[in-house]
Amino acid sequence: ETGVTQTPRHLVMGMTNKKSLKCEQHLGHNAMYWYKQSAKKPLELMFVYNFKEQTENNSVPSRFSPECPNSSHLFLHLHTLQPEDSALYLCASSQDSARCETQYFGPGTRLLVL
Amino acid sequence: AQTVTQSQPEMSVQEAETVTLSCTYDTSESDYYLFWYKQPPSRQMILVIRQEAYKQQNATENRFSVNFQKAAKSFSLKISDSQLGDAAMYFCAYRRCTGNQFYFGTGTSLTVIP
Repeated sequence: ETGVTQTPRHLVMGMTNKKSLKCEQHLGHNAMYWYKQSAKKPLELMFVYNFKEQTENNSVPSRFSPECPNSSHLFLHLHTLQPEDSALYLCASSQDSARCETQYFGPGTRLLVL
Repeated sequence: AQTVTQSQPEMSVQEAETVTLSCTYDTSESDYYLFWYKQPPSRQMILVIRQEAYKQQNATENRFSVNFQKAAKSFSLKISDSQLGDAAMYFCAYRRCTGNQFYFGTGTSLTVIP
């Protein structure tokens, strides 16, 4: 068990819905990440937070909105998504994003946009 | 630009045999880490092994070992005495020690044949 949990594990939503993904880490880390994993493609880094401050936004569309209220919790707010946004969304954490630290992953949320 | 290439989309191995998964990467950095992650069907991405670029000695973790060739930018994973539980997607990843980016390959799907 890596100590990173994600809810929900599965989510089906329409293009007009608003939903949120939640990630929580129990490892005492200070950095948290959102990744998108699509079939046959490398993991795509979406957002990075270090000590609650966003330090990376990899040209992610504004229909994805992250929130990091503290170092243990990370949210990804979703609205007006497109079918091509269907993917596995992985959360990860590490001790500090600015150092060469190992990332530990959650189990992911499988998202289907209809 | 940093890229990670896994040229074997699928591999299979007989139980108790040895298999080697290939990974090459491209970087101009001298300080970085390399990782192998395992993602079983349950989807939890698990760290298998990591290698610091400044270390010449290949990392070993029980039945898992790497062959790190820094000049060739090659980082292969050897699994000895393969077990049914080793069946998974294996991702090679690169992380430089400045900045937030992890770079992942597209993965190798390993099947273990009883």
